[in-house]
Amino acid sequence: TQLLEQSPQFLSIQEGENLTVYCNSSSVFSSLQWYRQEPGEGPVLLVTVVTGGEVKKLKRLTFQFGDARKDSSLHITAAQPGDTGLYLCAGFNAGNNRKLIWGLGTSLAVNP
Amino acid sequence: DTEVTQTPKHLVMGMTNKKSLKCEQHMGHRAMYWYKQKAKKPPELMFVYSYEKLSINESVPSRFSPECPNSSLLNLHLHALQPEDSALYLCASSLSQGNNYGYTFGSGTRLTVV
Repeated sequence: TQLLEQSPQFLSIQEGENLTVYCNSSSVFSSLQWYRQEPGEGPVLLVTVVTGGEVKKLKRLTFQFGDARKDSSLHITAAQPGDTGLYLCAGFNAGNNRKLIWGLGTSLAVNP
Repeated sequence: DTEVTQTPKHLVMGMTNKKSLKCEQHMGHRAMYWYKQKAKKPPELMFVYSYEKLSINESVPSRFSPECPNSSLLNLHLHALQPEDSALYLCASSLSQGNNYGYTFGSGTRLTVV
């Protein structure tokens, strides 16, 4: 069974701090997707990484896919209260009946 | 149009009621999904439709019945639900079931079973 371990599970920081969220697996994924979800809303896709070693930037967010395509990280620089939400990583492997495997999520609170 | 639209936004139903959740997308996506999500947990896959055919049923109880009338619409029919079925029900779509590049989710239906 493929698993995605996401850490930390909860994070409460002050505005302006930096943070990193990790997603790790022993399995190889053909892509790793990051979503952000606000209360009462559906997840919103932030980025998909598909190439080992790939780095993608979205304003203050930096996403990295591990060389072996087993792990990924999300780094937020100078966090703002608007970054508050649930961050979810999800791995896709065509061999796993083409289903997304989800991490347990990181609940981030950025305090003003 | 880059959205998945779900109705209703909120639903309260008794355990003997029959209700339906609706989902619509006009992005030309050929895979559509129903997920169930409890607070602060990841979404749990329920059903996948690929090219309007049921592709995956994750051993969901028969009180949940999916339907895909056409490539743009997905319904979830609910009957004789239990209080533990209260959750956020999310619809999602992607270009195809084998698509690597991510899903578009609707805003969800907040279901409360009383």
